[in-house]
Amino acid sequence: GDSVTQMEGPVTLSEEAFLTINCTYTATGYPSLFWYVQYPGEGLQLLLKATKADDKGSNKGFEATYRKETTSFHLEKGSVQVSDSAVYFCALSASLGNEKLTFGTGTRLTIIP
Amino acid sequence: GAVVSQHPSWVICKSGTSVKIECRSLDFQATTMFWYRQFPKQSLMLMATSNEGSKATYEQGVEKDKFLINHASLTLSTLTVTSAHPEDSSFYICSAMHLGSGWSNYGYTFGSGTRLTVV
Repeated sequence: GDSVTQMEGPVTLSEEAFLTINCTYTATGYPSLFWYVQYPGEGLQLLLKATKADDKGSNKGFEATYRKETTSFHLEKGSVQVSDSAVYFCALSASLGNEKLTFGTGTRLTIIP
Repeated sequence: GAVVSQHPSWVICKSGTSVKIECRSLDFQATTMFWYRQFPKQSLMLMATSNEGSKATYEQGVEKDKFLINHASLTLSTLTVTSAHPEDSSFYICSAMHLGSGWSNYGYTFGSGTRLTVV
């Protein structure tokens, strides 16, 4: 079945450091890929998405590129801020007609000043 | 943008009672809604998929008689935890699918979650 494997945390970085959170997936067909962010006690917010190979999703300084050849969708940010501290989830939606999201385990990110 | 309102945000109930959680799409019609459960420091586990006007589809291992889902309109889905027990304590999150500008741009909007504590 479909699955998402996500870099395990927790991850602790200093402010302005470079961030990478790895995500790889297994799916049949051509899934859509997502990164969601969850702040403490809240639901999930869409951070970015990509719907086909080589697409790059970007938002708030975060980027991720849909790499079909490596089945990856790694999240990157050049300079993190304290406000980026949250839990990040990689997810996929397998195909139209089967739209449920499959999530990775989540990565807790803490940025220290 | 698409907004989903989930209520209540937290609830404490006695063991054996039932609790209803509501999820409303405020500015779009949601033909499909999803209900997730999240344990502390863990990922989201899909419980069921509800489609307006039809029975919900439950994931394997989820008791349909315990977690009643009703999706009676295009803007409202409810999850009722019946005869709640302490092991049902968890964070429940709903999500609605919206088409955006079309099927090529479909997406998901999440509610803010409900923290259920059964004592």
